Amino acid sequence: GAVVSQHPSRVICKSGTSVKIECRSLDFQATTMFWYRQFPKQSLMLMATSNEGSKATYEQGVEKDKFLINHASLTLSTLTVTSAHPEDSSFYICSAKDTGMGDYGYTFGSGTRLTVV
Amino acid sequence: AQKITQTQPGMFVQEKEAVTLDCTYDTSDPSYGLFWYKQPSSGEMIFLIYQGSYDQQNATEGRYSLNFQKARKSANLVISASQLGDSAMYFCAMRLGGSARQLTFGSGTQLTVLP
Repeated sequence: GAVVSQHPSRVICKSGTSVKIECRSLDFQATTMFWYRQFPKQSLMLMATSNEGSKATYEQGVEKDKFLINHASLTLSTLTVTSAHPEDSSFYICSAKDTGMGDYGYTFGSGTRLTVV
Repeated sequence: AQKITQTQPGMFVQEKEAVTLDCTYDTSDPSYGLFWYKQPSSGEMIFLIYQGSYDQQNATEGRYSLNFQKARKSANLVISASQLGDSAMYFCAMRLGGSARQLTFGSGTQLTVLP
């Protein structure tokens, strides 16, 4: 089946530094990638939607200059958390739609647990 | 705006018994899809079952079935013969319109299966 590889799975960084999270679709072309954030014991909240070759669309309240999304190819999308602060500590997870799998073909990465110290 | 509601923050079930996890939704769009995902403590999202708004029959996948009541706008997940490995967070999600649209998730239900 469709696989989205997400790296790193865990990262600890110092406050003020930047962290890049990668999501690769391994056996299908991900025209659209969705980025979610999940705080402990809460739901997944959509941060942004990226389409290959165009600017990402951010949800209300998400700072586009802080969460940089790049979707330069059909198999790779990246999320960079710039100037990270402790409040950015969260679980970040990407999801891509595999159009070959019908209406239900959403594939999720395994997630990245970010801790900012 | 669309909304997904899960009113059970936590549920307990005895091993081998059936359990129903509730989900209601609100949309005026006639075309939508409803999903259930399982999220163990590792964080991965495991797809369980899908129901399209135009599907006439309730979806079933092994021990999982979706009780779709369109008029009530509910899409409850039924897990039969619960197993210890079923202990996890369960999310209901909805997609509006075309198949490339994002999913909106409910708040989740933490299911604990007791031995």
